[in-house]
Amino acid sequence: SQQGEEDPQALSIQEGENATMNCSYKTSINNLQWYRQNSGRGLVHLILIRSNEREKHSGRLRVTLDTSKKSSSLLITASRAADTASYFCATDRPGNTPLVFGKGTRLSVIA
Amino acid sequence: SQTIHQWPATLVQPVGSPLSLECTVEGTSNPNLYWYRQAAGRGLQLLFYSVGIGQISSEVPQNLSASRPQDRQFILSSKKLLLSDSGFYLCAWSPPGDRGHLFGPGTRLTVT
Repeated sequence: SQQGEEDPQALSIQEGENATMNCSYKTSINNLQWYRQNSGRGLVHLILIRSNEREKHSGRLRVTLDTSKKSSSLLITASRAADTASYFCATDRPGNTPLVFGKGTRLSVIA
Repeated sequence: SQTIHQWPATLVQPVGSPLSLECTVEGTSNPNLYWYRQAAGRGLQLLFYSVGIGQISSEVPQNLSASRPQDRQFILSSKKLLLSDSGFYLCAWSPPGDRGHLFGPGTRLTVT
């Protein structure tokens, strides 16, 4: 079953604006990861946040994790047209089980 | 360097025909390997994963099968394709550390 659920399903913003995507999950996790997928391509790993971390930054990306609410958010600041893609969260659960991916958020950044 | 290859990039096959998709990894040994399927505009569905040669775990019952004949080779197969097998197939492996999954470029399969 799908562990992560992204929200919103689709998001359209103007270049320069910030984009926020959310992910909710149901069970305990070791870490939560965010990926990006350009149309027709493989996924690219963006950032990983461990269960004992609350916030992490990488360039224009900011990820937060609230384990009490079982939710995470991905913020892309000062968005660019090249940020247009689908973004997926994935949870790494205890017990050496495979990652479980959500259904993704389709982000469109309009120049 | 560590790289992952998938082929073919695109494939059009008639219903009832066999399938063989190949994935190979370079620059590592004993990787955990994964096959995912993505329907159009949807998320990823884990199909199979392998933690070693000959060790395959199936996540979803279907007419697909997987094999790992060599340490860095992972093959997805079907004896008879169905229309519902159409989709984007992605192979991935998980390197140590905080790098998450590394994905291959994918194979676009259309069953007609």
